Amino acid sequence: AQTVTQSQPEMSVQEAETVTLSCTYDTSESDYYLFWYKQPPSRQMILVIRQEAYKQQNATENRFSVNFQKAAKSFSLKISDSQLGDAAMYFCAYRSANTGNQFYFGTGTSLTVIP
Amino acid sequence: DSGVTQTPKHLITATGQRVTLRCSPRSGDLSVYWYQQSLDQGLQFLIQYYNGEERAKGNILERFSAQQFPDLHSELNLSSLELGDSALYFCASSESGNVPETQYFGPGTRLLVL
Repeated sequence: AQTVTQSQPEMSVQEAETVTLSCTYDTSESDYYLFWYKQPPSRQMILVIRQEAYKQQNATENRFSVNFQKAAKSFSLKISDSQLGDAAMYFCAYRSANTGNQFYFGTGTSLTVIP
Repeated sequence: DSGVTQTPKHLITATGQRVTLRCSPRSGDLSVYWYQQSLDQGLQFLIQYYNGEERAKGNILERFSAQQFPDLHSELNLSSLELGDSALYFCASSESGNVPETQYFGPGTRLLVL
């Protein structure tokens, strides 16, 4: 089965600074999708950004961007110009394009933004 | 507000009991997903339905079952409840259920089994 690993249980960043959250995954598949979700204290899950494995270009959504290294099976999230509202739990997720379309989530990284 | 509604918000019950969690997807969304988030196991994908049919299955226990009705709302049935079933249960919806669609998550139902 696929596994997703987030090795940083907690991270902190100064407001307006940049922070990078790490995610690695293990798969033997070539066609899949990767996601970063944000879970604020309200506990809702909010999609931050997604990446198709067949695309070489890194996805970007405003202040959020990813560094997708397919060979290394790495998918890190960079948050630029951090804001207080970015404080949340961040989950990295993998979804196969083929085998039953299961989702696999990492254990999450809790991000604190320091004013 | 994602447009996905879940009821009830909180549920307290005893071991051995059966409960039903309900989810209404966003207007126009045909696909519904169920997730379990517990402290010790993180976020687990349970099951996905698309227009009434099961589309994908994850780590769903045999004691759990789900269905999606013709009006597209979905119910997750949890039976013979155990202490370890205490968790936050999320429902999410998407337009067609194809990857890499955005999923819109509901606020969750917090289940406590005593």
